[in-house]
Amino acid sequence: DAKTTQPTSMDCAEGRAANLPCNHSTISGNEYVYWYRQIHSQGPQYIIHGLKNNETNEMASLIITEDRKSSTLILPHATLRDTAVYYCIVNSRSNFGNEKLTFGTGTRLTIIP
Amino acid sequence: NAGVTQTPKFRILKIGQSMTLQCTQDMNHNYMYWYRQDPGMGLKLIYYSVGAGITDKGEVPNGYNVSRSTTEDFPLRLELAAPSQTSVYFCATVDRGRSLYGYTFGSGTRLTVV
Repeated sequence: DAKTTQPTSMDCAEGRAANLPCNHSTISGNEYVYWYRQIHSQGPQYIIHGLKNNETNEMASLIITEDRKSSTLILPHATLRDTAVYYCIVNSRSNFGNEKLTFGTGTRLTIIP
Repeated sequence: NAGVTQTPKFRILKIGQSMTLQCTQDMNHNYMYWYRQDPGMGLKLIYYSVGAGITDKGEVPNGYNVSRSTTEDFPLRLELAAPSQTSVYFCATVDRGRSLYGYTFGSGTRLTVV
């Protein structure tokens, strides 16, 4: 699976949009981009995923560049409860037998009141 | 639905003791995983299972054993606890037969070996 690079930490003011970048320059054609977050030692929580097109759900938006080498997770109106570590993961969905998520150290997002 | 249930939530073991971390899911998911997370680090895969009766090693399997006799349960066994196994352990599941949704994680077991 492709490796990802994320900033170690970021701050965002409450109520503003939080934009979390992720580089995955070695991503291959069948690999999806997933985002998870982990709030204070709880189990990670799935946020969103995408392949080529931009995606939006009730939690966030995912913007993937046309060359797929980077992506941005957007939390449109950040609240204090969004303070967490955010993990960007790329994973192939075709290799079912060996599919497993590989977590890096993520981005620690702190929402400032 | 309870989702993924892990027990116990906390445990202190002495070096050399054994224990089993329990993981149960009621979502009928076929894939199950065990991860460990050391302080300030990301999650590392210990073992995984693609269905009842099938298990395979992950990135850090040494010192652990698993079994998968039913779809619902995926226990993780520590035979001879060592201080290096002090960590938070997470169980996760996913249904490979569905469309592309993410994994569901349990709330974790915090283990200290002294």
